[in-house]
Formats: sequence, structure tokens, C-alpha cells
Amino acid sequence: DAMVIQNPRYQVTQFGKPVTLSCSQTLNHNVMYWYQQKSSQAPKLLFHYYDKDFNNEADTPDNFQSRRPNTSFCFLDIRSPGLGDAAMYLCATSRDRGVYEQYFGPGTRLTVT
Amino acid sequence: AQKITQTQPGMFVQEKEAVTLDCTYDTSDPSYGLFWYKQPSSGEMIFLIYQGSYDQQNATEGRYSLNFQKARKSANLVISASQLGDSAMYFCAMREGTGGGADGLTFGKGTHLIIQP
Repeated sequence: DAMVIQNPRYQVTQFGKPVTLSCSQTLNHNVMYWYQQKSSQAPKLLFHYYDKDFNNEADTPDNFQSRRPNTSFCFLDIRSPGLGDAAMYLCATSRDRGVYEQYFGPGTRLTVT
Repeated sequence: AQKITQTQPGMFVQEKEAVTLDCTYDTSDPSYGLFWYKQPSSGEMIFLIYQGSYDQQNATEGRYSLNFQKARKSANLVISASQLGDSAMYFCAMREGTGGGADGLTFGKGTHLIIQP
């Protein structure tokens, strides 16, 4: 089945230690998104890629970076995680620009110790 | 100003009853889409139903239907014959479409639905 896959499902990292979360998709969608969802809150968009074009949200901290080496894969890098970065990180894809639904992966729950 | 408002933080509903989850939205863009997602405790966001701003009829998907009232800017989700497995967080979301942008979804704060046996 076509799907959005995120690895790992659970990630524990130490304060200040860089961490990378990965997302892959078999849907062949043009757009990939990263959302941050803190406990009991709505998901918040961090950035997205339309094909190879990177689009950062204005209030996304510089600590968060992303890479999309090809259509199928997208990575979220947190350069120096703080305690406040503990959250669920959701990857999503969308077929194209415009008003299309987004399909989400199962998420990676990040804990910072 | 909030773009998506969900006024029910939590709801308790008896199994097999119908339930309506409220959602109002705010946009000046004539082209937009409204979405409902279900998020169980496992964390995955499950797409339920979609309504486009130009759609003439209310969307339906199995037990889910969307009561779209454009003039009132509301897009309520109706779940018929609720089941225990419907217990989850439900998010209303919007995506504005004019200009062909690839912007992400704007979510409401969610409604925590609990189905009681």
C-alpha cells in the first residue's frame, strides 16, 4: 500500500545533541511537510518542500533544518535540541499545489533528556 | 485572529448515537478546502473527509458527513452511529488555495471525543 513512513517512531536524545528524523513516501507526491505537535496542542507547520523548493515558516526556529534529497525522502534535523523541542513530529505529503488533502505518517515522538 | 475555531474541547457521547463536532473558519480567500482528521492516542493523523469551497453538495464518507454552511463559515463533522473506536481527538483544518500555493494546513485546537458504552 502507498503510504507515508516515519522512522523512528520514538526517539530519545540528549539536550544539545543533534538529531535527525526521517520520512519517506511511496505516494510520489510533490509536496512534503513537517509539523510539530506539542502535548495537547494542534499541529504547527514548520516548513515544506514543493519538489526541491524549500519553504520555511516565518516563526520556525533556526535550530530546525530540513533536507529533501529526492522525491521520496525528507529529513528533519534539529541541530541543538532543547527541552522545549520535545514533541510529536508529523510528516505529511500532498499530491500537488492547491487544495489537496494531506496524508500523514504515524509521527515520531521526540523526548529530550 | 484564529482561522479555525473548535469550541468543544471535549465531548462525551453514548455509543450508537450521532455526534456533531463544531468547526467555524475565517478566510477571505474564495478558494479553500476544509478537512477533518482523527488522531487516536497512538498519534497518527487519519484523514476523514474533505469539503472544497466550490463544492455544491456536502461531503460524505461512510459514517462521516460534513455539514457545510458557507455563508455562516461553518464546517461541522457529523458521525452517525458512533462506535467505541471513534474515541479520539478530532481536528478541523483548512488550506487556502488561491495562487496555487503549497501551504500547509491550519488546524483548530481539536475536540476530544469519548464514546461511552
